[in-house]
Amino acid sequence: QVQLQESGPGQVKPSQTLSLTCSVSGASISSGSYYWNWIRQPAGKGLEWIGRIDASGGPNYSPSLKSRVTMSLDASKNQFSLKLTSVTVADTAVYYCARRMGGLATLGFDSWGQGTLVTVSS
Amino acid sequence: QLALTQSPSASASLGASVRLTCTLSSGHSTYAVAWHQQQPQKGPRFLMKVTRDGSHTKGDGIPDRFSGASSGAERHLAISSLQSEDEADYYCQTWDTGIEVFGGGTKLTVL
Repeated sequence: QVQLQESGPGQVKPSQTLSLTCSVSGASISSGSYYWNWIRQPAGKGLEWIGRIDASGGPNYSPSLKSRVTMSLDASKNQFSLKLTSVTVADTAVYYCARRMGGLATLGFDSWGQGTLVTVSS
Repeated sequence: QLALTQSPSASASLGASVRLTCTLSSGHSTYAVAWHQQQPQKGPRFLMKVTRDGSHTKGDGIPDRFSGASSGAERHLAISSLQSEDEADYYCQTWDTGIEVFGGGTKLTVL
């Protein structure tokens, strides 16, 4: 059974870079069969897709965040990462990582991490 | 542009049934969606995928009380024999080349 776990600083200063890592167990991120995603949720609001990455293609980012987002894979550690630059208080949210299988057999986001709260504050 | 529309809120009595609806944007009526449940103060949990023909594939451990259906551009999540723990936010999700999309979510209150 696949498990995902987010980690990273719980607080980031305005204008700095938010960096998070998602550690994956029970599945190989380098298999090429899955998309590895970041999603966030500000307090009291809905889910917002940030972007995704897979081992066989390039990353895809939300158009609204594209200019500030970079995602990467580390196959040696079975992890994938998120960097969000020039953060503001509007980036304060719970950040989730999630998996989706590619192709017609996809179920949608079938596995989620528990989430990590990132607060942007000076 | 691919988009999903959900009613912000719904309510039903304990033990009753409820149907939540997720509507696909024009030109995307054949797309499948996934439904996710988010209980208070918890992360989302995958419930099921619902396809254009109404067939659904549930996640591990999802009770039989949960089912899916489709009608045109609408994808439904039905919950029968409502229990207090069903009070939660429910999100639909879909995908296309290079993008993933969420609906705005429906807050279900169990009376």
